[in-house]
Amino acid sequence: EAGVAQSPRYKIIEKRQSVAFWCNPISGHATLYWYQQILGQGPKLLIQFQNNGVVDDSQLPKDRFSAERLKGVDSTLKIQPAKLEDSAVYLCASSLEVLMETQYFGPGTRLLVL
Amino acid sequence: AQSVTQPDIHITVSEGASLELRCNYSYGATPYLFWYVQSPGQGLQLLLKYFSGDTLVQGIKGFEAEFKRSQSSFNLRKPSVHWSDAAEYFCAVGARGNKLVFGAGTILRVKS
Repeated sequence: EAGVAQSPRYKIIEKRQSVAFWCNPISGHATLYWYQQILGQGPKLLIQFQNNGVVDDSQLPKDRFSAERLKGVDSTLKIQPAKLEDSAVYLCASSLEVLMETQYFGPGTRLLVL
Repeated sequence: AQSVTQPDIHITVSEGASLELRCNYSYGATPYLFWYVQSPGQGLQLLLKYFSGDTLVQGIKGFEAEFKRSQSSFNLRKPSVHWSDAAEYFCAVGARGNKLVFGAGTILRVKS
């Protein structure tokens, strides 16, 4: 069974530029999550989708971050414009629909904002 | 609000020695608890989880964890550490809606 796929793996941009990350969850997983992991910290949930609807985006900085999950499968996370403090690893995870099911994580995208 | 505390930022153990990583949580209801491991440049891999029932949980790679409600703890243990166990370990509590709240992590170093 293929795992969660993410691309790109690394990205370096200048502040005020825009960037987009892509995630393809495990086949059949209805729930998709985006986490931000700043160096030295644990992952923090940015947004959670159930199929193509948003369940929780309370910690998403909506003035600069956006995410979509069209057709309820793969997802993109965008930052526009990027700030220095957005430098982090962005992790995508997916799980089955059942409450408290295990979340499976992708390898992450490491973003450096200069 | 739910929170997780991992008191040790770094831990160094000798290969073959026993290991215990500490985790304390704060959550108003019965918690769902997880331990994940992250190797450099990799995503997080689930080691074990506790939902209910037996408070001693067995996981992969020889790890186990014990849920102690009275101490609000969910410590991870392994009787004999291997060099390949060197990684960062994260404790997490599952909140409403399957949201995970993670601790800051503990970096494990294994010396030969």
